[in-house]
Amino acid sequence: DAKTTQPTSMDCAEGRAANLPCNHSTISGNEYVYWYRQIHSQGPQYIIHGLKNNETNEMASLIITEDRKSSTLILPHATLRDTAVYYCIVRVAGGYQKVTFGIGTKLQVIP
Amino acid sequence: DAGVIQSPRHEVTEMGQEVTLRCKPISGHNSLFWYRQTMMRGLELLIYFNNNVPIDDSGMPEDRFSAKMPNASFSTLKIQPSEPRDSAVYFCASSPRALNTEAFFGQGTRLTVV
Repeated sequence: DAKTTQPTSMDCAEGRAANLPCNHSTISGNEYVYWYRQIHSQGPQYIIHGLKNNETNEMASLIITEDRKSSTLILPHATLRDTAVYYCIVRVAGGYQKVTFGIGTKLQVIP
Repeated sequence: DAGVIQSPRHEVTEMGQEVTLRCKPISGHNSLFWYRQTMMRGLELLIYFNNNVPIDDSGMPEDRFSAKMPNASFSTLKIQPSEPRDSAVYFCASSPRALNTEAFFGQGTRLTVV
């Protein structure tokens, strides 16, 4: 499965947009980009996923570059409750594929 | 729905003892996953069940670890004998389809082996 690289940590001012990057240069044509987050002491929570088009839901937006080698998760108006570790994962959408979440990006939202 | 329910939330045991972690998936979900999380290795998939059948147990670290799913509403992860390096947070997750995505995670069991 394709691997991803993310910055270890980021800070964002409360109320500003948080832009979390992810590199996945070896992504295959049938692999999607998924984002999860893990708030302290809780289990991971699904956020959003996409193949090649930009996606938006009530939690976030996902921007995928045209060559699909990288993506950005955008939290449009970060709040203190968005402080968490954010995981970027690539995998196929059908069938089973073993996934390891890795270390992710620790996002700290600052008042 | 109460979500994925794990028990206990915290477990402290002595090295060499048997430890059993329990999970109740969301009703109607047919896929179940056990993960282990440590600072060094992040969140690792240990085993995946589909329709109560173990499909991939390649992540199980060694023979001391075993997992069962006797029915659609219950799964266990057992460590026997436990060792200090098994100390971690163990998560159970379930999914409504045979996909390792959009999985719903439990609150986890924090295991400390002393």
